[in-house]
Amino acid sequence: ETGVTQSPTHLIKTRGQQVTLRCSSQSGHNTVSWYQQALGQGPQFIFQYYREEENGRGNFPPRFSGLQFPNYSSELNVNALELDDSALYLCASSSQNTEAFFGQGTRLTVV
Amino acid sequence: GENVEQHPSTLSVQEGDSAVIKCTYSDSASNYFPWYKQELGKGPQLIIDIRSNVGEKKDQRIAVTLNKTAKHFSLHITETQPEDSAVYFCAASRTLSSGTYKYIFGTGTRLKVLA
Repeated sequence: ETGVTQSPTHLIKTRGQQVTLRCSSQSGHNTVSWYQQALGQGPQFIFQYYREEENGRGNFPPRFSGLQFPNYSSELNVNALELDDSALYLCASSSQNTEAFFGQGTRLTVV
Repeated sequence: GENVEQHPSTLSVQEGDSAVIKCTYSDSASNYFPWYKQELGKGPQLIIDIRSNVGEKKDQRIAVTLNKTAKHFSLHITETQPEDSAVYFCAASRTLSSGTYKYIFGTGTRLKVLA
């Protein structure tokens, strides 16, 4: 086990709704990165949070936003959900010059 | 833009044979190359990594090679076992100003080891 936990593990939302996903980072890590993994694809970088600030962003629209807390846990928020947002959302915990450890992911289905 | 190509997309080998997965990256600033194994319903798990100042690294049955000039890196698994069956992802990453990494993943290789 990586020590990175995500919640919830699965959820179903309706198009247009908003969703919040949560991630607890591994002890000693100050960085959380979020990735979107569509079925049969590799993970795509959404953004990274380092010491509570956004530290790099991928090619995702502003309706994808995030937050990192003083204990370095993090949230991913998605507004105005679209069908194409259906995917596995992964968070990865790391620190400077260390490998990233992934959680088990949250499977989001938008109907 | 940043891109990582990974081949093959599927690979079937007999138990005991070797498997090779190849990746090519585009960002010349990439300096860290991890490989992840993802089993069904689970998050990716790091199996081996290599940094840009090293050409080869080995850990038991797994080895990775890096050719920075050609922007190629490869994963080699020897003496494959049924439990090696999974999806494997390569990634190329560059160091951000914070000292942390941003990963660009390949599209994955589904490895099947036939008993």
